[in-house]
Amino acid sequence: AQKITQTQPGMFVQEKEAVTLDCTYDTSDQSYGLFWYKQPSSGEMIFLIYQGSYDEQNATEGRYSLNFQKARKSANLVISASQLGDSAMYFCAMKGGKLIFGQGTELSVKP
Amino acid sequence: NAGVMQNPRHLVRRRGQEARLRCSPMKGHSHVYWYRQLPEEGLKFMVYLQKENIIDESGMPKERFSAEFPKEGPSILRIQQVVRGDSAAYFCASSPSYESSYEQYFGPGTRLTVT
Repeated sequence: AQKITQTQPGMFVQEKEAVTLDCTYDTSDQSYGLFWYKQPSSGEMIFLIYQGSYDEQNATEGRYSLNFQKARKSANLVISASQLGDSAMYFCAMKGGKLIFGQGTELSVKP
Repeated sequence: NAGVMQNPRHLVRRRGQEARLRCSPMKGHSHVYWYRQLPEEGLKFMVYLQKENIIDESGMPKERFSAEFPKEGPSILRIQQVVRGDSAAYFCASSPSYESSYEQYFGPGTRLTVT
């Protein structure tokens, strides 16, 4: 069975510093996708970044990068130069068709 | 290009009433997914539909819940005889393909409150 684990219920980071949000996964599929979504207090789900299981390079999207370590089955999200607007819930998800979500990490950026 | 539309955004129902949640996918998307988010939790998959077909309903409760995606019109998630435990945010997502590389685009969600 597929499973996503986010072990950090809450994280704090100082504005302008970098932060890493952890995500590990378990699957027997050879082909899968890994996604990160941001959910601000307003509730919508905002797509941040995608990594394919066969991609050799780590995905990057602006200030977001995904540290993909396939052998360790981890897909950590790195946010560089944190901003106050980054305060939100962050969900890691795996897709083999439907999305399987982790429990989320609540990130708080301090001024 | 309009995104995924869901309505209503907020829905209040008394115990025992029916709730109907609507989802219009993005233009050109024929794959629709419904997820439920209970308070303080992540999203849980409920059902995956294509036009006129339920493909995967492994996450749907066995009773009171049903979903459809007719040939014309939006996808509907129907909850009969609602109970307090059904209070949650219900998200719809759509994608152009079931393949793992395709992102799912989420609607704003419907927040159901059962009183």
